[in-house]
Amino acid sequence: KQEVTQIPAALSVPEGENLVLNCSFTDSAIYNLQWFRQDPGKGLTSLLLIQSSQREQTSGRLNASLDKSSGRSTLYIAASQPGDSATYLCAAGRANSKLTFGKGITLSVRP
Amino acid sequence: DTGVSQDPRHKITKRGQNVTFRCDPISEHNRLYWYRQTLGQGPEFLTYFQNEAQLEKSRLLSDRFSAERPKGSFSTLEIQRTEQGDSAMYLCASSLALGAGELFFGEGSRLTVL
Repeated sequence: KQEVTQIPAALSVPEGENLVLNCSFTDSAIYNLQWFRQDPGKGLTSLLLIQSSQREQTSGRLNASLDKSSGRSTLYIAASQPGDSATYLCAAGRANSKLTFGKGITLSVRP
Repeated sequence: DTGVSQDPRHKITKRGQNVTFRCDPISEHNRLYWYRQTLGQGPEFLTYFQNEAQLEKSRLLSDRFSAERPKGSFSTLEIQRTEQGDSAMYLCASSLALGAGELFFGEGSRLTVL
């Protein structure tokens, strides 16, 4: 059974800092890995998807990497802004797109 | 098409009542998923459809829960005889069966059972 862990549960950083959010998963036989953003009381917004054959994906200030052999993914956020404050969830995907989620990391960027 | 749409966004009901949620996926997506999320937790898989066929159901989906996707387009999730433990955000997502498998989520339907 796939288990996804995100530590720490919460993170507070000053504006402008570069930061890394970590995600680990137990079963390396994944089809893909997705990172999502969730604002309070809202649904999930897809940020980046990395297919199992890829090592990283980039979108703007965001870069996600995947190391299947070690069961780890990271989300790098460059030059953080207060608008980046949200909960970030990673999810390991099977071929039928069923996702197993971590509990998320709640990020607070202080002005 | 602007994305996955869910209705209602909020539902408050009394214990023992039945509730139904609707999800309209992105139009060309043939896979549709239901997840449940409680406070401080990640979403948990409930069930998914490919076209009109329900292909997998989680053990979390008790006999009081039923989901349908009658014409392979929109889906409904019904909860019968609601319990306080059913209070959660119910999230719908859709994807294409082929390709990278990226999931797109709706805004969710928040259920409060009094």
